[in-house]
Amino acid sequence: AQSVTQLGSHVSVSEGALVLLRCNYSSSVPPYLFWYVQYPNQGLQLLLKYTTGATLVKGINGFEAEFKKSETSFHLTKPSAHMSDAAEYFCAVSDLTGANNLFFGTGTRLTVIP
Amino acid sequence: ETGVTQTPRHLVMGMTNKKSLKCEQHLGHNAMYWYKQSAKKPLELMFVYNFKEQTENNSVPSRFSPECPNSSHLFLHLHTLQPEDSALYLCASSQDIGRGYEQYFGPGTRLTVT
Repeated sequence: AQSVTQLGSHVSVSEGALVLLRCNYSSSVPPYLFWYVQYPNQGLQLLLKYTTGATLVKGINGFEAEFKKSETSFHLTKPSAHMSDAAEYFCAVSDLTGANNLFFGTGTRLTVIP
Repeated sequence: ETGVTQTPRHLVMGMTNKKSLKCEQHLGHNAMYWYKQSAKKPLELMFVYNFKEQTENNSVPSRFSPECPNSSHLFLHLHTLQPEDSALYLCASSQDIGRGYEQYFGPGTRLTVT
């Protein structure tokens, strides 16, 4: 079965510093990978996704992620953190059966320190 | 209204009550989903509907009963719940259930079972 591991349930960075949120996945076939963000009292919003093609994926709000097959990783980065980036971030992998079922990690809460 | 809406936003119910959660999507999508989000656990997919037909039931207890009268509306009927059912229940929709289609989430219903 597919699974996702997000290392670090809480990450704190200073405003302007690099954001790095880690995601490793388990999949026996090429995965579809996603990053979602959840702001307080809101649902999840898609940041970016990888399906096929270029392994460096750019998303909204200046975030990007790189698919590394050899490391089974899909880490999320942003060069310079803003206060508005404080939220919870979820990595997900798509079901292999062809249906659109997503398997989520446990999430990483990002705190941005002024 | 735009996107995916959910009502009520908050619900407190006793273990013997019967209540329903409502989800409506204004995106013209064909697929709808129910997820359960509990603290410190990954989002759990509960049910998937495509063109009003249930395509996935992820071993959900029968005290949760979904209903999808049309592609725009999804209900989750609740009865004789347990305290461990307290969680945030998220509804999502996507254009199709094929792999890789973006899922759009509603803000969720925060359910507390007393």
